[in-house]
Amino acid sequence: GQQLNQSPQSMFIQEGEDVSMNCTSSSIFNTWLWYKQEPGEGPVLLIALYKAGELTSNGRLTAQFGITRKDSFLNISASIPSDVGIYFCAGQLLSDSWGKFQFGAGTQVVVTP
Amino acid sequence: GAGVSQSPSNKVTEKGKDVELRCDPISGHTALYWYRQSLGQGLEFLIYFQGNSAPDKSGLPSDRFSAERTGGSVSTLTIQRTQQEDSAVYLCASSASGSTDTQYFGPGTRLTVL
Repeated sequence: GQQLNQSPQSMFIQEGEDVSMNCTSSSIFNTWLWYKQEPGEGPVLLIALYKAGELTSNGRLTAQFGITRKDSFLNISASIPSDVGIYFCAGQLLSDSWGKFQFGAGTQVVVTP
Repeated sequence: GAGVSQSPSNKVTEKGKDVELRCDPISGHTALYWYRQSLGQGLEFLIYFQGNSAPDKSGLPSDRFSAERTGGSVSTLTIQRTQQEDSAVYLCASSASGSTDTQYFGPGTRLTVL
């Protein structure tokens, strides 16, 4: 079953605003990934995090691996129309075999001009 | 091709029929993954392959679901006696060697069971 809680479920923002979303769990993860999915396509990896406390940026995107290893957040700064899509977190549980990832339910981002 | 390809892109079938979904991973990638995505939901892990073997089949929803991979390349996901709740997008991904390597996703197969 779903072990990751991703929030918010959706966001409607104006161009130029910052966006923040997060994933939390009661379980410990050893890897956190953030993906973006656009309609009719598969998810595309944005950022990968491998160590507790790690803070990584990719352009206007910043993600952090929580110190407790039970959460992660993704920030998008100065949003633009092409940021529209569904953002998913994914994590690999410490207890799972490698290769197996749990996914959050997604955060739908809509950017208005 | 350069990316992961899946076929068919869309499949409509009648309840009770069997379906086969195909995935062509990126050339040279040893790890291959199958996920299911229901409308408005996140991805549900089904199974992954390392080479031709499947170390973890725990995500397969029922014994109607099976998958195989031959020659360390193409994989087929088979759903027998399809049910309406099987309707979803089935996504395939591959990675160079598994573990924490980046997974590259295909565009998915949208399955509709009437």
